[in-house]
Amino acid sequence: EVQLVESGGGLVQPGGSLRLSCAASGFTFSSYPMNWVRQAPGKGLEWVSYISGSSSTIYYGDSVKGRFTISRDNAKSSLYLQMNSLRAEDTAVYYCARHYYYGVNDAFDIWGQGTMVTVSS
Amino acid sequence: DIQMTQSPSSLSASVGDRVTITCRASQSIASYLNWYQQRPGKAPKLLIYAASSLQSGVPSRFSGSGSGTDFTLTISSLQPEDFATYYCQQTYSTPRTFGQGTKVEIK
Repeated sequence: EVQLVESGGGLVQPGGSLRLSCAASGFTFSSYPMNWVRQAPGKGLEWVSYISGSSSTIYYGDSVKGRFTISRDNAKSSLYLQMNSLRAEDTAVYYCARHYYYGVNDAFDIWGQGTMVTVSS
Repeated sequence: DIQMTQSPSSLSASVGDRVTITCRASQSIASYLNWYQQRPGKAPKLLIYAASSLQSGVPSRFSGSGSGTDFTLTISSLQPEDFATYYCQQTYSTPRTFGQGTKVEIK
């Protein structure tokens, strides 16, 4: 079964750090780019970051650029998000999502269940 | 960044109704448009990719259309499990922006 399982969320003070993990199974992890997408309580979806299968290409959303770092370990079939200088507005459920190409089109076809990050004093 | 605007933001409908949700892009995105369904407390699920292609395993009552700037998601006969929030997403450029969502509620 193709599956993504996030972990590492929790309560952290403003200015603090947290590292999220996403464990993949059921597919050849290294063959797929991956994304992090977040959803603040009661709000919509916000794309956060993208990493290619080889880690050669990385993108970030403007709201997290310079504070968050995406990485992956293909040997462990794992995706990571290092979050530093956290702010209250980073409070959200964080999802990892597989990036799938349908010819020239693409979509996020597999999602994890999400992990909650709360930034509060 | 490309802005995606959905309408309506919410709607009430009955089981068996035909439901249409619209998504408009701030610039032309050809057919680089996806639709997702999110049930309460669950992760999003891909329904439609490339504006009109049905993802494997998704019921045929879901369909998508449009190109350029205007797109539509249609549910031909609403089922109880379809009460959820629906999001469009453009994949024409990075960042891959989402619409604000359309919540489909029970009338």
